[in-house]
Amino acid sequence: EIVLTQSPATLSLSPGERATLSCRASQSVSSYLAWYQQKPGQAPRLLIYDASNRATGIPARFSGSGSGTDFTLTISSLEPEDFAVYYCQQRSNWPLVTFGQGTRLEIK
Amino acid sequence: EVQLVESGGGLVQPGGSLRLSCAASGFTVSSNYMSWVRQAPGKGLEWVSVIYSGGSTYYADSVKGRFTISRDNSKNTLYLQMNSLRAEDTAVYYCARVPVYWGYFDYWGQGTLVTVSS
Repeated sequence: EIVLTQSPATLSLSPGERATLSCRASQSVSSYLAWYQQKPGQAPRLLIYDASNRATGIPARFSGSGSGTDFTLTISSLEPEDFAVYYCQQRSNWPLVTFGQGTRLEIK
Repeated sequence: EVQLVESGGGLVQPGGSLRLSCAASGFTVSSNYMSWVRQAPGKGLEWVSVIYSGGSTYYADSVKGRFTISRDNSKNTLYLQMNSLRAEDTAVYYCARVPVYWGYFDYWGQGTLVTVSS
């Protein structure tokens, strides 16, 4: 099983600041990594796929980078609606996909 | 508009059974891969099962032999039959669409809560 480790567990920032979230894989997943956003009481929403491609309708302030074992989700300037939990997911050994444990982005 | 609506969750005793449904609209279930993903209260996401457009099925080790994924093409609906339920199966269960060969979940339902408790 490919284990994804996200850091930090919680990130406290203010609106307008830049957010940098990390996801590290226990073995190479090439570029087969996605990021999801989940707000309380809602289903996850796909933000980024194949490490750096924004999903349909996702604002340009969200960007992804990385390959192999180290990946980053960057939110360039936080909007109030961006405070949520973020998960990474690998599809390198589809269908046995795995998710990271999540990073909670909270308002400082 | 793509929409997924789950139903069938509830309270069940350990060892019991439950069948979840996921009614899809705006696309054809049988032309996509369809999956179930669950989330225990206050925890992260866990992939449960997938059914391919061709009908092949796969399961997480934690549910293999107890859960069965299926679909009804005439109703454009996905199902998850859950047997021999355990306390650790307590979670919100989401159905999600996976475009063929893509490997990511692009549309999700709102989820249905399954609670396994005596």
